[in-house]
Amino acid sequence: EIVLTQSPGTLSLSPGERATLSCRASQSVSSTYLAWYQQKPGQAPRLLIYGASSRATGIPDRFSGSGSGTDFTLTISRLEPEDFAVYYCQQSGSSPIFGGGTKVEIK
Amino acid sequence: QVQLQESGPGLVKPSETLSLTCTVSGGSISSYYWSWIRQPPGRGLEWIGYIYYNGIMNYNSSLKSRVTISVDMSKDQISLRLSSVTAADTAVYYCATYYGGNFYHWGQGTLVTVSS
Repeated sequence: EIVLTQSPGTLSLSPGERATLSCRASQSVSSTYLAWYQQKPGQAPRLLIYGASSRATGIPDRFSGSGSGTDFTLTISRLEPEDFAVYYCQQSGSSPIFGGGTKVEIK
Repeated sequence: QVQLQESGPGLVKPSETLSLTCTVSGGSISSYYWSWIRQPPGRGLEWIGYIYYNGIMNYNSSLKSRVTISVDMSKDQISLRLSSVTAADTAVYYCATYYGGNFYHWGQGTLVTVSS
């Protein structure tokens, strides 16, 4: 079974800074089935990126995804106040699994 | 725009069966796979399973022996049953559409606590 490891666990940054979040898979996964979600406190997750690099509908272009094989990255080019949240990667092979999450907090 | 609303008891006793319903509006049951996902308090997301209207289904292997997901097209509802619950099953339970490997639309979630 594939395991997704996200790092760092917590990222402390200031508004306007760049955030780089990592998702590493225990074995190679298809980029087609790698997604990222944002979750704010008390809310359901929201799909940000699918297919490793495609933004979902309505997602600002400061969010970008990249990577292939076992290493994937979510980048937020300039953090806005509403971007402080928890981010999860997810892959769908035979069964969907989620990474443990990265919390982006205000420094 | 598809909207999902979870409902069901907020408190379930240990060893009993958790039963939740997800009511769909703004979309057709036959357009998506339908999934349940849960999140224990303060922790990450765990996929439970998914179903298609024609009966195709897949469950998380760690829960498979206790889970049943079903679709009622006449009511536009998806149901989840989880048997023999313990405190470890305490979580917010979400229903979501599942398409192309991604979870697109989510309900707001419902907290289920397992306690006597």
